[in-house]
Amino acid sequence: DAKTTQPPSMDCAEGRAANLPCNHSTISGNEYVYWYRQIHSQGPQYIIHGLKNNETNEMASLIITEDRKSSTLILPHATLRDTAVYYCIVRVGGSYSGNTPLVFGKGTRLSVIA
Amino acid sequence: GAGVSQSPRYKVAKRGQDVALRCDPISGHVSLFWYQQALGQGPEFLTYFQNEAQLDKSGLPSDRFFAERPEGSVSTLKIQRTQQEDSAVYLCASSSSGRQTTGKLFFGSGTQLSVL
Repeated sequence: DAKTTQPPSMDCAEGRAANLPCNHSTISGNEYVYWYRQIHSQGPQYIIHGLKNNETNEMASLIITEDRKSSTLILPHATLRDTAVYYCIVRVGGSYSGNTPLVFGKGTRLSVIA
Repeated sequence: GAGVSQSPRYKVAKRGQDVALRCDPISGHVSLFWYQQALGQGPEFLTYFQNEAQLDKSGLPSDRFFAERPEGSVSTLKIQRTQQEDSAVYLCASSSSGRQTTGKLFFGSGTQLSVL
């Protein structure tokens, strides 16, 4: 799976949008971009994923550049409970006989400040 | 039903002891994964089951680590002759897909293992 690059830490004011960048310049055509977050003392939690198009769900929006070499996770109105480590992962999709495991990096530690 | 459940939540072992960590996946989930997370690091893949079959154990760090899922539901990760470097949080995750790959996993809260 392609390697991703994320800033080690970011701060965001409560109520503002948090924009978390991720570079994945070696992504292949069949690799999806996944975002997970891990709140202290909990297991990782799935947020969103996408292939080419921008995606939105109740938690966040995912913006993928046209060349797919980078993406941004947007939390539109950050709250204190969004303080966590956010992981950007690229992973092959489609039908395979196996199940490719998610490969986590170190992620971005987001601190939401009151 | 309930999410992925792991027990015990905390485990302290003396060096050389054997430990067993349990994972109850979401009911009906075909795929089950074990990850190891050292302090300050992201989770690292250990092994993967599809039902009762262990299809990938490439991440197990040594032959002291052994995992099983005999009936395709509950899984146990066993570590024999524990060493201090085994101290970490052990995470279990499950997903509903089997053959069809998906990256949407549901994680438990983990077992924090401390080897003294």
